[in-house]
Amino acid sequence: KAGVTQTPRYLIKTRGQQVTLSCSPISGHRSVSWYQQTPGQGLQFLFEYFSETQRNKGNFPGRFSGRQFSNSRSEMNVSTLELGDSALYLCASSPGTGTTEAFFGQGTRLTVV
Amino acid sequence: KQEVTQIPAALSVPEGENLVLNCSFTDSAIYNLQWFRQDPGKGLTSLLLIQSSQREQTSGRLNASLDKSSGRSTLYIAASQPGDSATYLCAVRAWGGADGLTFGKGTHLIIQP
Repeated sequence: KAGVTQTPRYLIKTRGQQVTLSCSPISGHRSVSWYQQTPGQGLQFLFEYFSETQRNKGNFPGRFSGRQFSNSRSEMNVSTLELGDSALYLCASSPGTGTTEAFFGQGTRLTVV
Repeated sequence: KQEVTQIPAALSVPEGENLVLNCSFTDSAIYNLQWFRQDPGKGLTSLLLIQSSQREQTSGRLNASLDKSSGRSTLYIAASQPGDSATYLCAVRAWGGADGLTFGKGTHLIIQP
């Protein structure tokens, strides 16, 4: 069974640009969550999607958005990039929503210059 | 707001030793607790999931315990090996999962050959 797949693995963007990251969950999983990992703040929850609906959202500005498609694949978008957005972005897949075991992908390393 | 603390932040021990990693959380109203390992630059690998109604879970050389009333969990690693070197992260999920997983900053473990 394939794991959680995140693409691309690495990205370099310039301040002010926007970026889209993709996550394909484990087959049969309907919940996808996104996390940001930085050396200073650690891992922080961005948002969770289940059946194409955003169910929960962390404390991040509106520049961070996402969506989920009917096949459960999810995309995360960050607009007007700032240097502080440089981080490892991790996607987690779960069978259901909210309270089940989370399985993580390898992450996308975003560098903003 | 839930806060998760992991002690120690770093640990270096000789191969073969048994060791304990600690995790504490401020709000005991959790649904479950999950232990992960993270290798440098990689995603998170799920090690053990403990539901709030459980006291411990075991997988191979790993044993995790949960004392919800005192807000503590421990991860016991038996007969440590160099391949166990990684950062170990503890994460808790509240009932309903509204805030996703709340992570500690991790324990950076080095097993000396």
